[in-house]
Amino acid sequence: DAGVIQSPRHEVTEMGQEVTLRCKPISGHDYLFWYRQTMMRGLELLIYFNNNVPIDDSGMPEDRFSAKMPNASFSTLKIQPSEPRDSAVYFCASSLMGGNKNIQYFGAGTRLSVL
Amino acid sequence: AQSVTQLDSQVPVFEEAPVELRCNYSSSVSVYLFWYVQYPNQGLQLLLKYLSGSTLVKGINGFEAEFNKSQTSFHLRKPSVHISDTAEYFCAVSEAGRDDKIIFGKGTRLHILP
Repeated sequence: DAGVIQSPRHEVTEMGQEVTLRCKPISGHDYLFWYRQTMMRGLELLIYFNNNVPIDDSGMPEDRFSAKMPNASFSTLKIQPSEPRDSAVYFCASSLMGGNKNIQYFGAGTRLSVL
Repeated sequence: AQSVTQLDSQVPVFEEAPVELRCNYSSSVSVYLFWYVQYPNQGLQLLLKYLSGSTLVKGINGFEAEFNKSQTSFHLRKPSVHISDTAEYFCAVSEAGRDDKIIFGKGTRLHILP
């Protein structure tokens, strides 16, 4: 398997613009997680899905952030409108319930810079 | 709810010297414990995990960790580090029996000095 695939790897945008980050989980995995990593706050869980259904979105910072998982092989994280404080590395991870007890497999991340 | 504390944000160590990265957790229920490693410009990957059984857990790249329930600790050790071990290391905890989210510590950056 190719692992968790995220796109784009880098995104530079201007304040106020809409940003969409994409993630393809490992085939067969039934959990998908979105994280944000910054120097100040470390690794934060934003939202996670089980079988395409959002389970916990309490980490989503505000209404400007939204995430969807229309099918088992694709998820998006959207920021609209973006702000400079959203600059961070965003990671997607997936895992398989039961078999490997919470081992999460991470993508390489999307580095977002909002100017 | 669980929480994880990594007391050291950065640890410098000379090449071929031993290293210990400290991790303490807090939980009112049984837990699973993990160490993940993040190499520069990459995502996190699992280094080792404790689910049950032997308290000494061996992982990849010569790392090992010991679960100490009385001290609620799960420190990571390696007897001799290499330049290639330069990375950020994250301790993580989850509630035993659950398959969903895990809580990550803030990370410890390991600097290997030549």
